[in-house]
Amino acid sequence: NAGVTQTPKFRILKIGQSMTLQCTQDMNHNYMYWYRQDPGMGLKLIYYSVGAGITDKGEVPNGYNVSRSTTEDFPLRLELAAPSQTSVYFCASSYGGLALYTGELFFGEGSRLTVL
Amino acid sequence: GEDVEQSLFLSVREGDSSVINCTYTDSSSTYLYWYKQEPGAGLQLLTYIFSNMDMKQDQRLTVLLNKKDKHLSLRIADTQTGDSAIYFCAELNDYKLSFGAGTTVTVRA
Repeated sequence: NAGVTQTPKFRILKIGQSMTLQCTQDMNHNYMYWYRQDPGMGLKLIYYSVGAGITDKGEVPNGYNVSRSTTEDFPLRLELAAPSQTSVYFCASSYGGLALYTGELFFGEGSRLTVL
Repeated sequence: GEDVEQSLFLSVREGDSSVINCTYTDSSSTYLYWYKQEPGAGLQLLTYIFSNMDMKQDQRLTVLLNKKDKHLSLRIADTQTGDSAIYFCAELNDYKLSFGAGTTVTVRA
């Protein structure tokens, strides 16, 4: 079972470039999330989705876009990359319902992005 | 400001108990969680507690909840080197988990 798979694991971007972080889960989970992790700041929610075709903003959505055309995939798009977007990005998923209430979020291994 | 607050660092001697503290602000939170992050990895759920409970014990882990003070703690008994990690407190709001900044626990011999 692959779980939650993120690609790429590392990427260096120049200011103004665009890229997409890919996230795929094979657990048939309804809920998917993108978080960014900055030192001493914990995890901040960027976007989330409660099912295919439904997305919503989290705490820090500016500079990012998402789509959820299938249950499995939840890509995160960075447009016009800025140094402030240098961070580690985590994708997570949950089945929802009781699993969500008991905290069963499954995280990918993270994507480290540097914008220079 | 942060909805969930934690101290950033804790150093503990191997074999001693570790206590990690957390305060949260949303009194309507029904579930609270502790996650663990090992170096280079994503977060993994350690344990959770429902808001109508004061305490939950799971092997070496004890979670204490003080709803009046909105205070959550995680005690790790007989701390081992494998317990060195970042520990995150989190609360559930509207399908979303809000995380604290994480407490880095270092276990020294």
